[in-house]
Amino acid sequence: EAGVTQSPTHLIKTRGQQATLRCSPISGHTSVYWYQQALGLGLQFLLWYDEGEERNRGNFPPRFSGRQFPNYSSELNVNALELEDSALYLCASSLDPGVIYTGELFFGEGSRLTVL
Amino acid sequence: AQSVTQLDSHVSVSEGTPVLLRCNYSSSYSPSLFWYVQHPNKGLQLLLKYTSAATLVKGINGFEAEFKKSETSFHLTKPSAHMSDAAEYFCVVSDTGGKLIFGQGTELSVKP
Repeated sequence: EAGVTQSPTHLIKTRGQQATLRCSPISGHTSVYWYQQALGLGLQFLLWYDEGEERNRGNFPPRFSGRQFPNYSSELNVNALELEDSALYLCASSLDPGVIYTGELFFGEGSRLTVL
Repeated sequence: AQSVTQLDSHVSVSEGTPVLLRCNYSSSYSPSLFWYVQHPNKGLQLLLKYTSAATLVKGINGFEAEFKKSETSFHLTKPSAHMSDAAEYFCVVSDTGGKLIFGQGTELSVKP
C-alpha cells in the first residue's frame, strides 16, 4: 500500500513568488495535515483538512493557505514568499479525523522549499 | 495550554548500551503523549503512544516509555542501542483541533 506522497521533493523560489506543494494521503484516509519544519523552530502545525473542509489552522499568516480535493489529496499554497518560509513542509494523513485519540499520523517525506 | 520540553538536544551512546531520551510535558487535562522518530531523509514514524491506559508503553524496535504524572514526564528508553537507532526523536502531546504539539527534538547518535 502506498504511503503519503508529496511533490515536489525540492522547490526553489525567490522572494515574492508563490509556491504550491501537493500531497496525496494514504488510500482511505480523509484527514490531511500540514506541518512546517524550519531550522531551529521544530515542527509547527499549519493546517488540518477533513472531508474537504479546513478544520483548523496554526499561527501562520493568511498567505499560507490550502485546500483539499474530493479525492482527499491536498495542496498547500504559500503566497508572497519570504526568506523565513524556507523549510521542510510535511504532509500527514490519518484515519482518525481528530488525531487526538490515536495520535497516529502517517507522514510523507516532505517538500523542501528554499526561498532565495 | 499543551507543551512538551525535550531536555536534551543531542544524546550520544555506544552500541549495546541503554538509551534514555527525556521529555517533560505540560497539560491542562489528561494528555495523550507520543514519541515519533525521524530518520535522515525519511518521514516521521510513530514509535509509541500513551492514551491513559497502561503507564508503561511499549513501542516498535524495543523502545518503551513510562508516563509519570507526578513528575509530568514521559521519558523514552531502550535497553540496548543499535546503530540503526541513530535518528531524531520527537516527544509529542495532542491538542484540540487535530493538532499535535512537537518538542524540539533530540538527536540520537550511536557510536560503534
